[in-house]
Amino acid sequence: DAGVIQSPRHEVTEMGQEVTLRCKPISGHDYLFWYRQTMMRGLELLIYFNNNVPIDDSGMPEDRFSAKMPNASFSTLKIQPSEPRDSAVYFCASSLLAGGGYTFGSGTRLTVV
Amino acid sequence: AQSVTQLDSHVSVSEGTPVLLRCNYSSSYSPSLFWYVQHPNKGLQLLLKYTSAATLVKGINGFEAEFKKSETSFHLTKPSAHMSDAAEYFCVVRLPMGDDKIIFGKGTRLHILP
Repeated sequence: DAGVIQSPRHEVTEMGQEVTLRCKPISGHDYLFWYRQTMMRGLELLIYFNNNVPIDDSGMPEDRFSAKMPNASFSTLKIQPSEPRDSAVYFCASSLLAGGGYTFGSGTRLTVV
Repeated sequence: AQSVTQLDSHVSVSEGTPVLLRCNYSSSYSPSLFWYVQHPNKGLQLLLKYTSAATLVKGINGFEAEFKKSETSFHLTKPSAHMSDAAEYFCVVRLPMGDDKIIFGKGTRLHILP
């Protein structure tokens, strides 16, 4: 298994531009999570899906952020318009319903200038 | 309220000496507990997990952790540190009973001195 695959690995964009981060979870995993990691706030849960349905998006910072999961093998996190304070590493993770640990992707390092 | 406290933000040990990274949790239920490691510019990797079986859990790379309910602790240990252990370590609580959020500690950065 290739694990959780995120793309791109690095993204540099100008303030105001739209940014789309992509994630392919492990096949068969029921849950998908989007996290953001910054030096100031550590790891924050943004949103998670169960069987492609968004369950809790209370961590999404504001309306500029949106996430979708059109099918079991793909999810996107979109920021429109992007701002410099969105600069962070964004992680996607997937998990089985039955418990156990989470498998994280390698992350997308986003820099908004 | 559920929470995870990693007591040290930085720990420095000499190569070949024992490692102790401390973690305390607060949970109304019996949680699942995990330790993850993050090497520089890498994603998070699961080291080990406790899910109500044996209280002493062995993980990868020689790490282990002991669940102590009376102390609400889940400290991570390794008998002998290696230079490659230098990384950030996160203690994580997963809430049971249908609420599938997980809570991350703030992380402990482990420095290995030659």
